[in-house]
Amino acid sequence: EDQVTQSPEALRLQEGESSSLNCSYTVSGLRGLFWYRQDPGKGPEFLFTLYSAGEEKEKERLKATLTKKESFLHITAPKPEDSATYLCAVQAFSGYSTLTFGKGTMLLVSP
Amino acid sequence: GAVVSQHPSRVICKSGTSVKIECRSLDFQATTMFWYRQFPKQSLMLMATSNEGSKATYEQGVEKDKFLINHASLTLSTLTVTSAHPEDSSFYICSARVLGAGELFFGEGSRLTVL
Repeated sequence: EDQVTQSPEALRLQEGESSSLNCSYTVSGLRGLFWYRQDPGKGPEFLFTLYSAGEEKEKERLKATLTKKESFLHITAPKPEDSATYLCAVQAFSGYSTLTFGKGTMLLVSP
Repeated sequence: GAVVSQHPSRVICKSGTSVKIECRSLDFQATTMFWYRQFPKQSLMLMATSNEGSKATYEQGVEKDKFLINHASLTLSTLTVTSAHPEDSSFYICSARVLGAGELFFGEGSRLTVL
């Protein structure tokens, strides 16, 4: 059974204080790992897809990296508008072509 | 990215009534759409996979007679919660994938409150 564990559950940062969110996974053949951002009362917003270990993707203050066991979402010099829940999901080669999600990390950036 | 629209965003209904939620892919065709349910501080749980022109595939533990899914066209899937009860209150989110891509694009979600 595919599993995704995200840590920490919640993270509070000061504006400008860089940090990383962790996503550990077990999957029977990783087809892709996905990061999403979810604001309260909204659907998830797609951020990145990573396909193989060593791959990195960047978007503004966010950078996602991938190893064979985990992924990190690095946030550099965050701003209050980066406050949201960040979700990690995996897609396996086998079974339905859907995603298995972690519970997310709730990020709060204070000015 | 691709746009998925969901309606209504919020709905309040009385216990025993039925509620329909619509999910549309606005700028692409989706032969498959996915319906998720999310409880507070929990991950998204897949309820069912909606296939255009055929029956939906439900995940284990999801009552197909309570959660009716219809995917009548390449851009529209509907979820009907029949005879809703307070325990059906939740956040329902649909998603779709552009053909050939891996990522899912999500609708805005629908908050259902059953009184």
